[in-house]
Amino acid sequence: KNEVEQSPQNLTAQEGEFITINCSYSVGISALHWLQQHPGGGIVSLFMLSSGKKKHGRLIATINIQEKHSSLHITASHPRDSAVYICAAQEGGADGLTFGKGTHLIIQP
Amino acid sequence: DTAVSQTPKYLVTQMGNDKSIKCEQNLGHDTMYWYKQDSKKFLKIMFSYNNKELIINETVPNRFSPKSPDKAHLNLHINSLELGDSAVYFCASSQISSYNSPLHFGNGTRLTVT
Repeated sequence: KNEVEQSPQNLTAQEGEFITINCSYSVGISALHWLQQHPGGGIVSLFMLSSGKKKHGRLIATINIQEKHSSLHITASHPRDSAVYICAAQEGGADGLTFGKGTHLIIQP
Repeated sequence: DTAVSQTPKYLVTQMGNDKSIKCEQNLGHDTMYWYKQDSKKFLKIMFSYNNKELIINETVPNRFSPKSPDKAHLNLHINSLELGDSAVYFCASSQISSYNSPLHFGNGTRLTVT
């Protein structure tokens, strides 16, 4: 069973700061997901990656398969980035995800 | 045009009742899932269905049963509801036969058992 650890649990930063959220997992995976959950409760998939790096706007996700570690970066953070960010490991193609406990991010203006 | 829709959004019911939550996806995905988010906001897989076959089933009480009438629907039936069933339930779908297919989530159903 995969253990997924995220850090930090809570993060408060000023607008414009560079944000990093870390995720580590214990068992080899087929993919690593980064999800965003806004206060309204909806969950949005940000990235799904199995190697290397992906970028979407101000968001960047990286993964190191050997070290079983992934990071989510937010450049030029903005108050609208305030949300809970969740990493999740997928072991097989049809397996459900194993989730980290989430990082509650608050960006202050 | 909603990709993954689940109903109802809120469900308040008494202990011992039987209830259902419906989920539909219009993305043509081959796999659908049910996830439970507890009061501490921790998400956990409950079921997944691939081509109408149950492929994983975590340690979920057998009071919970997924029903998939077709590839686009995965409904969740809950019998004899208990207080501990109170949570937010999310439906999701993906195309596992396609490399790099992300998950699409429904908006969640907040179940409150009194």
